[in-house]
Amino acid sequence: KAGVTQTPRYLIKTRGQQVTLSCSPISGHRSVSWYQQTPGQGLQFLFEYFSETQRNKGNFPGRFSGRQFSNSRSEMNVSTLELGDSALYLCASSSEGAKDTQYFGPGTRLTVL
Amino acid sequence: AQRVTQPEKLLSVFKGAPVELKCNYSYSGSPELFWYVQYSRQRLQLLLRHISRESIKGFTADLNKGETSFHLKKPFAQEEDSAMYYCALSGWTGANNLFFGTGTRLTVIP
Repeated sequence: KAGVTQTPRYLIKTRGQQVTLSCSPISGHRSVSWYQQTPGQGLQFLFEYFSETQRNKGNFPGRFSGRQFSNSRSEMNVSTLELGDSALYLCASSSEGAKDTQYFGPGTRLTVL
Repeated sequence: AQRVTQPEKLLSVFKGAPVELKCNYSYSGSPELFWYVQYSRQRLQLLLRHISRESIKGFTADLNKGETSFHLKKPFAQEEDSAMYYCALSGWTGANNLFFGTGTRLTVIP
């Protein structure tokens, strides 16, 4: 099976803009989780989607949002970008059960200027 | 609140020496503990999880609920073990979210 894919791999935006990142899970996986990785804060959970519903949410401001489509592909959106949003954004997919093994994508590197 | 602590940011050992990467956690319920590894230029991947009780690539980890620890051990380090290691905790029943430690970069010296 193909692994988790994320597009784009690199992105440069300016403050105040918005951005949409995409994640395609492993075929058959219905859960997609998003994480933010920064040198200062490490890996932090953003949110998880399962069957098109947000099942859990981390401690991030409302500027961070996401959605999941019927084919399990997921997008996350960040509005009104701030410099501190510069990070590697990872998505992970798992089959469906709670606490199943998560398989990570390569990440999208977002730089906010 | 959940918390995962990896006290060592960097750890260097010689090839063939034993290695132990420390992980302590705090969680009020019954946790699921994981070790993830990221090799150079590769994506983050699961190394092992405590419920499986497996030994992967010679690594083992025992969950010690009394000491709230989940240390990763290997008796004889290999050069290919050089990587970034993350301890993670899954805290919510019914949802897939992981709380990660800050990671330990292991370097195995030839």
